[in-house]
Amino acid sequence: DIQMTQSPSFLSASVGERVTLSCKASQNINKYLDWYQQKLGEAPKLLIYNTNNLHTGIPSRFSGSGSGTDYTLTISSLQPEDVATYFCLQRNSWPLTFGSGTKLEIK
Amino acid sequence: EVQLVESGGGLVQPGRSLKLSCVASGFTFNNYWMTWIRQAPGKGLEWVASITNTGGSTYYPDSVKGRFTISRYNAKSTLYLQMNSLRSEDTATYYCTRDLRPGTPGFAYWGQGTLVTVSS
Repeated sequence: DIQMTQSPSFLSASVGERVTLSCKASQNINKYLDWYQQKLGEAPKLLIYNTNNLHTGIPSRFSGSGSGTDYTLTISSLQPEDVATYFCLQRNSWPLTFGSGTKLEIK
Repeated sequence: EVQLVESGGGLVQPGRSLKLSCVASGFTFNNYWMTWIRQAPGKGLEWVASITNTGGSTYYPDSVKGRFTISRYNAKSTLYLQMNSLRSEDTATYYCTRDLRPGTPGFAYWGQGTLVTVSS
């Protein structure tokens, strides 16, 4: 199985700050990487699919990049409504595996 | 508008069975792969099962293989998850999800979830 390691587990940042979340796969996942945002008490929401494709309706301050085993979610200017836990998911091979999440808070 | 509505969760004893349902609307159900994803209380997300649009193929992680069965009834736009030999570690909120577009994976639509609690 492919292991997905997210870092950091917890991040506190200021409004307007540029934030970078990392997801590392245990082997090459060929850019089959999604990012999901989950706010407290809600179902997760798709932000980005296939590494860098922004899902419809997602603000342009969110972007994704990466290749091989290393992937990044960037929020260019953190907003209060971005407080959430962020999960990555690899879809390169079965079983599909999620990272353990990064909890993002406002400083 | 795409809607996914799960039902069937509840309290069940270890070793017993439970069947979840997910009624879909707002899209052509038989065009899409469907997937169940779960989340234990306070924990992360875990993929549970996927099924092709025709139901011809199914996929499971080892943690549920042989105990859970995903199925669908396209005529009623309904997805199912039959869960047998339940264990305490199966306690979670179970989400029904749909791919972004036919042929484009990415869990773009989620139901509200249904809570399954396995306890004596």
